[in-house]
Amino acid sequence: DVKVTQSSRYLVKRTGEKVFLECVQDMDHENMFWYRQDPGLGLRLIYFSYDVKMKEKGDIPEGYSVSREKKERFSLILESASTNQTSMYLCASSPGGWGTEAFFGQGTRLTVV
Amino acid sequence: AQSVTQLGSHVSVSEGALVLLRCNYSSSVPPYLFWYVQYPNQGLQLLLKYTTGATLVKGINGFEAEFKKSETSFHLTKPSAHMSDAAEYFCAVSARGNTPLVFGKGTRLSVIA
Repeated sequence: DVKVTQSSRYLVKRTGEKVFLECVQDMDHENMFWYRQDPGLGLRLIYFSYDVKMKEKGDIPEGYSVSREKKERFSLILESASTNQTSMYLCASSPGGWGTEAFFGQGTRLTVV
Repeated sequence: AQSVTQLGSHVSVSEGALVLLRCNYSSSVPPYLFWYVQYPNQGLQLLLKYTTGATLVKGINGFEAEFKKSETSFHLTKPSAHMSDAAEYFCAVSARGNTPLVFGKGTRLSVIA
């Protein structure tokens, strides 16, 4: 089974802190994604990556950055956390190619106070 | 660009009744379509997907969906609801090629005993 592991299930951070959300997948997938989930808004794509050291902006990249130094690891960085970044963050990976599904981690519920 | 509209943010059914969750998509090219389920405080799990071929797709837990190109729809059904089906359901679309999934806003399914 594909496993996508997010480093924390719950996280509480203070406004202005630099926050790192880590994600690791164990299936040698090419693609990795970070989504943000908010009630009534569904999942919105923040950033994605098709290869090591490669990144593409999604629909809502403002206030976020990412890092992919190794194929299996994709980190989401909140440069200066704000209360409007309180949300559920979901990491996913996919093998790439046409019509392949994404496999999701358990999610990190981040609260910024 | 692709988009997904899920009709009804909340659907409530009685145990044993038919489940029907509606999804309409917009895509400039033939789409790949997916349904995911999310249980409370969990990540997303794939229920089923349509790529090519048979338009009636069967998934896990007794769910199925039918791709109707003329109606640009991919509605999810289950003949008889069970209490364990209570969850949030997301429809997603991707275009041909290596593109991220675009999700709808989700439909919360409640099952009443």
